[in-house]
Amino acid sequence: EPEVTQTPSHQVTQMGQEVILRCVPISNHLYFYWYRQILGQKVEFLVSFYNNEISEKSEIFDDQFSVERPDGSNFTLKIRSTKLEDSAMYFCASSEAVGWGVSTDTQYFGPGTRLTVL
Amino acid sequence: AQTVTQSQPEMSVQEAETVTLSCTYDTSESDYYLFWYKQPPSRQMILVIRQEAYKQQNATENRFSVNFQKAAKSFSLKISDSQLGDAAMYFCAYRSRVRVEYGNKLVFGAGTILRVKS
Repeated sequence: EPEVTQTPSHQVTQMGQEVILRCVPISNHLYFYWYRQILGQKVEFLVSFYNNEISEKSEIFDDQFSVERPDGSNFTLKIRSTKLEDSAMYFCASSEAVGWGVSTDTQYFGPGTRLTVL
Repeated sequence: AQTVTQSQPEMSVQEAETVTLSCTYDTSESDYYLFWYKQPPSRQMILVIRQEAYKQQNATENRFSVNFQKAAKSFSLKISDSQLGDAAMYFCAYRSRVRVEYGNKLVFGAGTILRVKS
């Protein structure tokens, strides 16, 4: 069964450093998402991406965050200058398009990347 | 903005027994989806069951079923014949269907930890 994959599974970085989290969505999916979950808290939406552009972003997704689809398979989340409060689990998700600009209801999640900022 | 509330931080159930997890939500929309996701200790997000708001019939998936009360904005999850593998954090989530062309983010509740006793 197709699945969303994410690398690395765990990333440790120093405060102020840049990190790139990588995701490979399910191959025929066209909608991509990033969510984060601070330990012990709810899962929060960061950004959605369709047709090579951001379609929606949350207040959390400020200028230090960016997303990119550098090729036909990868979807990345970059954090330019990490802060202690960026420590969290980051989930990538994807969903199908059933027509131009229309996604299906179900988002499939990757296993997550645990980011630890020291 | 939509909100999702899970009022039970933690629940326990005896193996083979039935347990119900509660979820309420607030929205002014009439067309949306509701989901239950399971998050085991591995922290992977696994879709358990989904419900379309326009369908009156409650969704079922094997031992998992929902009680969807649209007027009351309630969406509870019933797990029958509980198994040790059901032990996990369960998240209720809402997704609008109004702006489906933008992909539509999931809005999550705070989660309920389910413990299964042998």
